This record gives sequence, structure tokens and C-alpha cells, in this order.
Amino acid sequence: AQRVTQPEKLLSVFKGAPVELKCNYSYSGSPELFWYVQYSRQRLQLLLRHISRESIKGFTADLNKGETSFHLKKPFAQEEDSAMYYCALSGQAGNMLTFGGGTRLMVKP
Amino acid sequence: DGGITQSPKYLFRKEGQNVTLSCEQNLNHDAMYWYRQDPGQGLRLIYYSQIVNDFQKGDIAEGYSVSREKKESFPLTVTSAQKNPTAFYLCASSPGPNTGELFFGEGSRLTVL
Repeated sequence: AQRVTQPEKLLSVFKGAPVELKCNYSYSGSPELFWYVQYSRQRLQLLLRHISRESIKGFTADLNKGETSFHLKKPFAQEEDSAMYYCALSGQAGNMLTFGGGTRLMVKP
Repeated sequence: DGGITQSPKYLFRKEGQNVTLSCEQNLNHDAMYWYRQDPGQGLRLIYYSQIVNDFQKGDIAEGYSVSREKKESFPLTVTSAQKNPTAFYLCASSPGPNTGELFFGEGSRLTVL
């Protein structure tokens, strides 16, 4: 069975502060990990995926297989980063993603 | 304008009634999905379809049914057998297998009175 855990339901930081949204997973094989984001009044959308090793909107995430984690980080948070963030795992053929419970990020001015 | 359209956005139902949520996409995607979103529980997969005339149960399929008669359409029926149907329902599609990128609709909020 595969599982994704986001331990923080709410994360509140001040503008300019570093932010780290935690994601831990359990999967016996080789997973693919993703972060999805939902801004206020917008659709849920893909933010980044670990295989791309890219930085999107200043966010990065590194897959740590030893710690089974895929934490999302940004060195300097902006108010427009306020949103709901979901970590997701794909561990089998197709796109049947398993999502975590989500973390609401609030960036205060 | 390409994308995924879900309707209705808000729906109220009396207990014991079936209700069908519509999902249409004009992205020419083969695969379509239905997720249920509850606070603190993230998204849970109800049903998915990777090709027309074929669909598979997800993690929480009990009390739901789907059909995939056309590539563009993947309606979800919430039946009276669903014990706790009040939720936010999200439809998604993907261009192909193993991309990990799902394109989501705006969602439908179902409330059972």
C-alpha cells in the first residue's frame, strides 16, 4: 500500500521567511513524487515533480529515499504563495495518484 | 477555451436520491479520474478510466458509479448507497499514462440534506 503524510495542516510564516512544507511517504517500490497547489478560487494544478529537478516559483523539492520524504522548500516566502499544497505519489502504472491531506500555507505581510 | 468543465458547481440532494455529476473535457485526454476532497483528508480516488468504455474502481468506489461512453465525458453518479456523500468532488484528466500531471476541473460541491 502507498501512503502520503503531510503532518502540518496549517503553516503560517511571515513574508521573506523561509518555508518548508513537509511530506513523507510510504511505498515499497520506486515512487514518483509531486507537489500540487491550489490558490484561492483557482483549480488544483501541478507545481513540480521530483524527476524534473526544477524550481518553480522559487520552490524546490528533493526526494530523500532514505528518509522517505519530499519536502517543499522556498528560501523567501511571498504573500502570493499563500495556498493549499498537496503532496502526491505515483507508485504504479498510470496516474493513480495518492494525495496527502494537504497543508495550508499562509504568508503574512 | 480548452479544459475540464464540471457541473453543477453546487448541488443539494435529499437522502435516498441518486445524483449525477457531469465532467466534460476537450483536451483530447485518454484518461479521466474522479476524486473526493474532504477537509484534512486530501483527495481520495473514487474511479478512473484510462480509455473509453473501460473504468476501474479507486480507493473509495462504494456507493458510486461511473460510465465512459465517450472520450470527452466521465459522469459520476452518487447513489443512495453512499453513506456520507456530502463532499467536494473533483474531476481530472491526463494526457497519457505515467505523466503524473492531472488537469483538474473546478469541482462540484454536493450537500445532502
